[in-house]
Amino acid sequence: AQSVSQHNHHVILSEAASLELGCNYSYGGTVNLFWYVQYPGQHLQLLLKYFSGDPLVKGIKGFEAEFIKSKFSFNLRKPSVQWSDTAEYFCAVNFNYGGSQGNLIFGKGTKLSVKP
Amino acid sequence: DTGVSQNPRHKITKRGQNVTFRCDPISEHNRLYWYRQTLGQGPEFLTYFQNEAQLEKSRLLSDRFSAERPKGSFSTLEIQRTEQGDSAMYLCASSLVVGASYNEQFFGPGTRLTVL
Repeated sequence: AQSVSQHNHHVILSEAASLELGCNYSYGGTVNLFWYVQYPGQHLQLLLKYFSGDPLVKGIKGFEAEFIKSKFSFNLRKPSVQWSDTAEYFCAVNFNYGGSQGNLIFGKGTKLSVKP
Repeated sequence: DTGVSQNPRHKITKRGQNVTFRCDPISEHNRLYWYRQTLGQGPEFLTYFQNEAQLEKSRLLSDRFSAERPKGSFSTLEIQRTEQGDSAMYLCASSLVVGASYNEQFFGPGTRLTVL
């Protein structure tokens, strides 16, 4: 069965530190990849997406992610975090194969706490 | 606000009662998805519609769960004979899919169900 793994459950950083959150998925075929963010008290919002093309994608608020097909990975990065980045981050994958319903498979999420 | 809306935002019910949740997608979106999210987990796919057709329902958790989208606009998710294990956040998402293209899903704020 398809699955998505996020390596870190809770990450604590100080402001201005660099961030990298890991995401790996199980399927080796064509995939559409997403990172969603959920700020405290708010709903899931799209941070960035990858469908095809340049494997380095840029999203909102200075986030970027790199798709490495050979490693089945889609890691999220930000060079310098801010206190306002405190949130929960979810990696999600649409496994694009014949009969795919278009639904997303989510990782368990990573809580990021940024200390001011 | 032209995003996805869900009502009610919170529902407390007694075990054995039936509950119904409503989702209003973004108006031009033809796909509507339902997910469930429990504490410490990412959203879990339940079912989805393309316009009024329910194209996948095998992931619904039991035959107590059912969903409708009668006119291809809003959707309802019903849980009959609720159990304490049904306590969770129920999320709705919508997207616009044209032909073989794939687009990101936009999520609503969710309905938090508590079964006593």
